[in-house]
Amino acid sequence: KAGVTQTPRYLIKTRGQQVTLSCSPISGHRSVSWYQQTPGQGLQFLFEYFSETQRNKGNFPGRFSGRQFSNSRSEMNVSTLELGDSALYLCASSTGNLNTEAFFGQGTRLTVV
Amino acid sequence: GESVGLHLPTLSVQEGDNSIINCAYSNSASDYFIWYKQESGKGPQFIIDIRSNMDKRQGQRVTVLLNKTVKHLSLQIAATQPGDSAVYFCAENAFSNAGGTSYGKLTFGQGTILTVHP
Repeated sequence: KAGVTQTPRYLIKTRGQQVTLSCSPISGHRSVSWYQQTPGQGLQFLFEYFSETQRNKGNFPGRFSGRQFSNSRSEMNVSTLELGDSALYLCASSTGNLNTEAFFGQGTRLTVV
Repeated sequence: GESVGLHLPTLSVQEGDNSIINCAYSNSASDYFIWYKQESGKGPQFIIDIRSNMDKRQGQRVTVLLNKTVKHLSLQIAATQPGDSAVYFCAENAFSNAGGTSYGKLTFGQGTILTVHP
């Protein structure tokens, strides 16, 4: 079955703009988690959605938001982009049960100029 | 000013050797752990997981060992191949400030760079 699909793979945006990233989880998976990966901070949790509800949130400013649709696809949005938002954004797909495997997509490489 | 990035530990081995990658985790209450492999330009790839009621788990060419006493996790790769060259991360399930398990949230280690020489 298909893996986790993230689109687009690459994005270049200007400071102050906003961006929307998309993640389609593995078929049958109802949980999508988002992470930001940077050389300085490593992998950091943004938020998790399960059945269209945000169940968990990391320590990121309100400029970072997300949502999940009834087909489990998820989007994350970053408004008023800053240079420091340049990163690899990863989503992970799982069943949503505790202590089960989480599978990552290839990521979206966002560059803010 | 100059940015300070993570300085990842590195492990360099010869093809065919066994590799051991170590990880110290932070929360004694963590009860689920995953090892991931990340190649350049790709997302983390699931390798193997282990629950805290186990000390050891084996997969294909990989073994994970868990020592809860000292909060230590290791990944052993047998007969390491050049294709195993990547950054390896351990991750643990995270807990909320209220003490309950945080759904969908993993806390990642800084990673270890494994280089396999032919």
